[in-house]
Amino acid sequence: DTAVSQTPKYLVTQMGNDKSIKCEQNLGHDTMYWYKQDSKKFLKIMFSYNNKELIINETVPNRFSPKSPDKAHLNLHINSLELGDSAVYFCASRLAGGAYNEQFFGPGTRLTVL
Amino acid sequence: EDQVTQSPEALRLQEGESSSLNCSYTVSGLRGLFWYRQDPGKGPEFLFTLYSAGEEKEKERLKATLTKKESFLHITAPKPEDSATYLCAVQWGRGGATNKLIFGTGTLLAVQP
Repeated sequence: DTAVSQTPKYLVTQMGNDKSIKCEQNLGHDTMYWYKQDSKKFLKIMFSYNNKELIINETVPNRFSPKSPDKAHLNLHINSLELGDSAVYFCASRLAGGAYNEQFFGPGTRLTVL
Repeated sequence: EDQVTQSPEALRLQEGESSSLNCSYTVSGLRGLFWYRQDPGKGPEFLFTLYSAGEEKEKERLKATLTKKESFLHITAPKPEDSATYLCAVQWGRGGATNKLIFGTGTLLAVQP
């Protein structure tokens, strides 16, 4: 199936640990995003990559480091996890130069920091 | 400050009872307004894009409209399977890949049989 996929679906970890979330899209898109959705369902953009280049960084703490090895993948590494990092993280993708602007979202990764 | 506000926060309808959800925005240089549906435990699912005031889009029981300050998502004769959180987002930016979405906080719709 063509889609945006994320792994893992759930991530439970202790404060201070380092963890990674992976995202892959097979839609042929050139722009990928990371969003954070808090407990009140508010979706906020964190990062955006276009053709492996970082183009949007919404003043996210340095503990969060995205990495795009190629156009189809965007991973998120989080160092020294804090309680406030608990949220659902969504990856999304879009074709920036296409006729249609919509972003397609992955299923989300629920991160719980204990 | 650029802002997207959705109302109501929650809406409970009886099956067949039509209603509308509102999304108002204060964004300069709007490059599109998007409606998404989000089911529990899933990612947002794209519904519509609107680009200019007066534009309308329809899909089954849903119809989205756009003015210069707000958008409405009209739900006609809803069914229980329409129950979800409906998210509105506006896109702005210098163009191309730099464009980004600003989301509202959503309307949680519950349709009872």
